[in-house]
Amino acid sequence: QSALTQPPSASGSPGQSVIISCTGTSSDIGGYNYVSWYQQHPGKAPKLMIYEVSKRPSGVPDRFSGSKSGNTASLTVSGLQAEDEADYYCNSYAGSNNLVFGGGTKLTVL
Amino acid sequence: QVQLVESGGGVVQPGGSLRLSCAASGFTFSSYAMHWVRQAPGKGLEWVAVISYDGSNTYYADSVKGRFTISRDNSKNTLYLQMNSLRAEDTAVCYCTRGGSGTAMTQFDPWGQGTLVTVSS
Repeated sequence: QSALTQPPSASGSPGQSVIISCTGTSSDIGGYNYVSWYQQHPGKAPKLMIYEVSKRPSGVPDRFSGSKSGNTASLTVSGLQAEDEADYYCNSYAGSNNLVFGGGTKLTVL
Repeated sequence: QVQLVESGGGVVQPGGSLRLSCAASGFTFSSYAMHWVRQAPGKGLEWVAVISYDGSNTYYADSVKGRFTISRDNSKNTLYLQMNSLRAEDTAVCYCTRGGSGTAMTQFDPWGQGTLVTVSS
């Protein structure tokens, strides 16, 4: 199973919005509404930010939102804050009891 | 609060074996599927394996199939990962994480702090 494709890096200034894309195929992202996003700060465990494409767990700021169109999912971070600087990973169910991650995107707050 | 604590990592020679444990607390362990996810040094996340809430079903990534075994003891609220025939490319921080409350494959939340497995001669 091939990894999902994410841009290696993204950046924005405080207060701006940034969109991180995650591209797969019709066998994973395009075939199921089981896309999730994770935030990982250096040396820390990942944290769930979005699940089932656009649902936000309690405690996650509403500045974080998710969407999907065809084989591409997106994570939007609005009103960028310094603490949003981290690595972000997408994940999708890929059928046949398999799960696949994206390669990760390093978000820099300028 | 919900907590997952991994243990059992260490240094092992190529071809060797290691068993990881994950102690769960703060939730009804026997009601949730559980996963192992790993991260090689400086690399991205890789899903490894999942086990159903009652242990009756297990599934693996192709990269570990036939070498790793996921299991659980619901009486001890503990998840395990038996790793055999270890290779240098298995060097990684291994995380245990809980699956979704409905469908196991929808999310990973929360995560443990991870335990480092180093395969080296």
